[in-house]
Amino acid sequence: GEDVEQSLFLSVREGDSSVINCTYTDSSSTYLYWYKQEPGAGLQLLTYIFSNMDMKQDQRLTVLLNKKDKHLSLRIADTQTGDSAIYFCAAQVGDSSYKLIFGSGTRLLVRP
Amino acid sequence: GAVVSQHPSRVICKSGTSVKIECRSLDFQATTMFWYRQFPKKSLMLMATSNEGSKATYEQGVEKDKFLINHASLTLSTLTVTSAHPEDSSFYICSASVTDTDTQYFGPGTRLTVL
Repeated sequence: GEDVEQSLFLSVREGDSSVINCTYTDSSSTYLYWYKQEPGAGLQLLTYIFSNMDMKQDQRLTVLLNKKDKHLSLRIADTQTGDSAIYFCAAQVGDSSYKLIFGSGTRLLVRP
Repeated sequence: GAVVSQHPSRVICKSGTSVKIECRSLDFQATTMFWYRQFPKKSLMLMATSNEGSKATYEQGVEKDKFLINHASLTLSTLTVTSAHPEDSSFYICSASVTDTDTQYFGPGTRLTVL
């Protein structure tokens, strides 16, 4: 079945760029998502990318998709302390399923 | 737009009792709602999918008699943890989407502690 993997931890200085990486195994996944979770809270949808796209930019967020390598990344420009949270990558299972498989989450710590 | 609420946000109950968690889509009609469970410092595990007016579809390994799901309207789904035990303590998160292949919007979660 689909497997989604992320590195567990990333620490950056305020103002720097953050890059969070994710790999997935199901090449038929149509949509790939990035969610943010703050302590004790639910998940906030940050952005998503359709599998026929290589890149999507939304203000400070840039998503890059390498479909050949099944690699997804989320770049946060000018990272702020308020960006400190856990970031989850999620892949849709197959090309017509509603199921999402989540990575383990990357904890981003932004140092002042 | 696309706001999903959950109630309660926290609940503490005694072992053996039942607990009901509500999930509401506040500004859209959700054909499909999903229930997830999240263990500490772990990812989300899908428990079940509910479609309005029909029986929920449970993931493998999830006891349907223990986790009762009702999706009575296009804006409300409930999860009832029956005869709760300490191992049921967890963070339960719901999500909702307009159709079953559309983007999922998540609720803020409910932390259940069973003593």
